[in-house]
Amino acid sequence: DQQVKQNSPSLSVQEGRISILNCDYTNSMFDYFLWYKKYPAEGPTFLISISSIKDKNEDGRFTVFLNKSAKHLSLHIVPSQPGDSAVYFCAASAVQGAQKLVFGQGTRLTINP
Amino acid sequence: SQTIHQWPATLVQPVGSPLSLECTVEGTSNPNLYWYRQAAGRGLQLLFYSIGIGQISSEVPQNLSASRPQDRQFILSSKKLLLSDSGFYLCAWSRGYSGNTIYFGEGSWLTVV
Repeated sequence: DQQVKQNSPSLSVQEGRISILNCDYTNSMFDYFLWYKKYPAEGPTFLISISSIKDKNEDGRFTVFLNKSAKHLSLHIVPSQPGDSAVYFCAASAVQGAQKLVFGQGTRLTINP
Repeated sequence: SQTIHQWPATLVQPVGSPLSLECTVEGTSNPNLYWYRQAAGRGLQLLFYSIGIGQISSEVPQNLSASRPQDRQFILSSKKLLLSDSGFYLCAWSRGYSGNTIYFGEGSWLTVV
């Protein structure tokens, strides 16, 4: 049972444009959501998070939107830069004891010059 | 600031041999500790987590085990490796309460031959 889904395995965007990465979840108990960026053969790097009490969180070029009724979140990167090329994972957790994250399958973002 | 290190970075082991991956966290006390695995072309799967010394929870049945002999040390082991154990293993930590970000180590590539 895939509780967190990233339906687009890859995305290609032109440099300077907006990149939009999407994520859907099924577990209504999830109340904390995160986005990670991962380069090959490296550990994921935390990008941005959002609590279920909010619908938007912004940090520089990165903005995460949460639509609880649709069980959907998205990551917007604007403007996109070549260094943003990586695999992006969304993750979710339900607040119970240890912080156990459930990850999506990842979306490979390629920024074209 | 907090740092997390895991080693070795790369490991090639024959089937049936033992495994020991080690992870340490510095700059914090009583962290939650985690072992994740990323199999080829797949997302990140939680294998084990620990909320304290000697307290280990297993998320999936498998050929691996984990131990936490000290507050900031987490070890992933196997007595006899299988081919299916190949993958990218990630140690991670979070602060000891819910709703917090998980931070990952650099990862360890394990190839079982």
